[in-house]
Amino acid sequence: GENVEQHPSTLSVQEGDSAVIKCTYSDSASNYFPWYKQELGKGPQLIIDIRSNVGEKKDQRIAVTLNKTAKHFSLHITETQPEDSAVYFCATLLNTGNQFYFGTGTSLTVIP
Amino acid sequence: DVKVTQSSRYLVKRTGEKVFLECVQDMDHENMFWYRQDPGLGLRLIYFSYDVKMKEKGDIPEGYSVSREKKERFSLILESASTNQTSMYLCASIVSGNSYEQYFGPGTRLTVT
Repeated sequence: GENVEQHPSTLSVQEGDSAVIKCTYSDSASNYFPWYKQELGKGPQLIIDIRSNVGEKKDQRIAVTLNKTAKHFSLHITETQPEDSAVYFCATLLNTGNQFYFGTGTSLTVIP
Repeated sequence: DVKVTQSSRYLVKRTGEKVFLECVQDMDHENMFWYRQDPGLGLRLIYFSYDVKMKEKGDIPEGYSVSREKKERFSLILESASTNQTSMYLCASIVSGNSYEQYFGPGTRLTVT
């Protein structure tokens, strides 16, 4: 099955700096790549996603890039704020079904 | 707004007990999922359901069963709880078709003693 690896597991940045989280996947049949943010005591929430026919997508301070050849995709957060502190998960979805495969999560801390 | 609710936020059960975790979504979504979340392991799929009375095993179904008698409700059952089932359990739903956005419930923190 699909194998999704996520790095780093923890990340601390100063407020205003950028944060980058990277994920690699193994199955070339993956065609949907979402990123979720999980705040303390809450379930994950979708923050941005990208499909395999697109290389980059941006939504205000958040962007996702996808390199299908290398099988990796990244989350970029610019001008980080303390409220960006959370655990972030990447995931993939194969074009064959409804099962999502998740990375192991990155705990982001933004230091004021 | 889509709402996915879970019956309990915190639950403490004894080894050997039968445990029911309930999940309800209010947006008529066809697909529903149960995950468990453990530190360093991310989210792992236990079971999912793509329609009423339909279910598929995920990656870690052992020790669990599910029930989907109504479209809006998806139940996770631990037939005989064990300490290694202590975890955070998350329910999610998506509508089938062209949208893959998953909506998660707040989670149930289950402790088995």
